[in-house]
Amino acid sequence: EAEVAQSPRYKITEKSQAVAFWCDPISGHATLYWYRQILGQGPELLVQFQDESVVDDSQLPKDRFSAERLKGVDSTLKIQPAELGDSAMYLCASSFAGAGSPLHFGNGTRLTVT
Amino acid sequence: AQTVTQSQPEMSVQEAETVTLSCTYDTSESDYYLFWYKQPPSRQMILVIRQEAYKQQNATENRFSVNFQKAAKSFSLKISDSQLGDAAMYFCAYRSSGANSKLTFGKGITLSVRP
Repeated sequence: EAEVAQSPRYKITEKSQAVAFWCDPISGHATLYWYRQILGQGPELLVQFQDESVVDDSQLPKDRFSAERLKGVDSTLKIQPAELGDSAMYLCASSFAGAGSPLHFGNGTRLTVT
Repeated sequence: AQTVTQSQPEMSVQEAETVTLSCTYDTSESDYYLFWYKQPPSRQMILVIRQEAYKQQNATENRFSVNFQKAAKSFSLKISDSQLGDAAMYFCAYRSSGANSKLTFGKGITLSVRP
C-alpha cells in the first residue's frame, strides 16, 4: 500500500538555526497538509495545499515558517529561525480532493530545539 | 469556528471487553464529516472510521462502530472485543463539507488495554 514519505524522521537543532522537513504524498493525492502535534495533544493544521496552491495557512507563524509545493507533488516546510517552542512532531498528510476523503499520514518528523 | 471536545484524557479496558470513547463537537453547519483516527505509540496515524452527517445510519468497521447523534452533536466510538493492539491514542476529528475545508482534531484520548 502506498504511503506518505517524510524525512528526516528525527531532527535536533539549536535555537536560531534553520531547519527543513520534506514530504512526498501518495501519488494522485491533490491535497497535502502539514500538521504540528505537541506531545499528548491533537494535531494542529499549519498549512494546507490544493495542488500547488495554499488554501489555508491561517495558523502558520509566517514570520518564521514557510511552506511550498512548487510542482504540486512533494512539499517542504521550513523554520527559520527555530525557537524552543517549536519542539514538536511535524506530520505530513495527503488525500484526494474532497472533504470526505480520509487523510493518509506519514510517520512524522520529531523536532527537538535545544 | 468548529471545535472538537474529547473530555476523557485516558481510558482503560480489559482485553475482550467493550469500551466507548466519547466525542462532542460544535458546528453551525448541517453537512460535514466526522472521523476517528488511531495513533499507536511511535507509529503513524491511521483512519479508524468515517461518518457522513447526512447519513442517519451509524458507520461500522469490523469491531469498531460509532454512535452518531446529530442533534446532540455527539460522535462516540465503540470498540468491541478489545485487543492488545487497540492500545493507542484515539482522535476524533471534524471536517465541514465545503471546498478546501480543514480537518480539526480533538485533544485525543489514550486507551490502554489490560491483558
